[in-house]
Amino acid sequence: QQQVKQSPQSLIVQKGGISIINCAYENTAFDYFPWYQQFPGKGPALLIAIRPDVSEKKEGRFTISFNKSAKQFSLHIMDSQPGDSATYFCAASTNDYKLSFGAGTTVTVRA
Amino acid sequence: ETGVTQSPTHLIKTRGQQVTLRCSSQSGHNTVSWYQQALGQGPQFIFQYYREEENGRGNFPPRFSGLQFPNYSSELNVNALELDDSALYLCASTIAGHSTDTQYFGPGTRLTVL
Repeated sequence: QQQVKQSPQSLIVQKGGISIINCAYENTAFDYFPWYQQFPGKGPALLIAIRPDVSEKKEGRFTISFNKSAKQFSLHIMDSQPGDSATYFCAASTNDYKLSFGAGTTVTVRA
Repeated sequence: ETGVTQSPTHLIKTRGQQVTLRCSSQSGHNTVSWYQQALGQGPQFIFQYYREEENGRGNFPPRFSGLQFPNYSSELNVNALELDDSALYLCASTIAGHSTDTQYFGPGTRLTVL
């Protein structure tokens, strides 16, 4: 069974807009929640990650919001740029480095 | 670049054959994990090696096996290939116990089974 559920499957945003991707998890033992960005023909690259002791983490235009009680976390991409067009995966793991990934969200930024 | 390389880039095999995929991690990375990414899906955890020993396996049959070598390289072997094995195979490495949890992914090997 899929341990991390991700939505939406795809989204289109105008340049300068905000992209929001949501994930939900079941395993309360998860304590590490990274987001990966993947371009066609490339491996996933770590974008930003959070641990459950904080509710929000911001790095540049990327922000993770984390709701431990709801077992949900989300990625916000502010001021979206055409270069942000990619597939984004949320993931979760315990301290064993074995990642459970969501199904992915394809983001298209229109100029 | 992540410093993790994989070979070959692409591979075509026929059903029933065997395949070996290779991964070269960064120096000092004592933990390597392998993932299978089917088209349009997220990566699925196959297994992990820590200091040359298998350290956990996902929901994959025994015909998926691996090795990790002292020089920070590793292999994924798949026997009796099936059509559903067609996927992008990714390896990811890290230093277990280090202050960072970052896993570095290679570019993957695209396997096509005909």
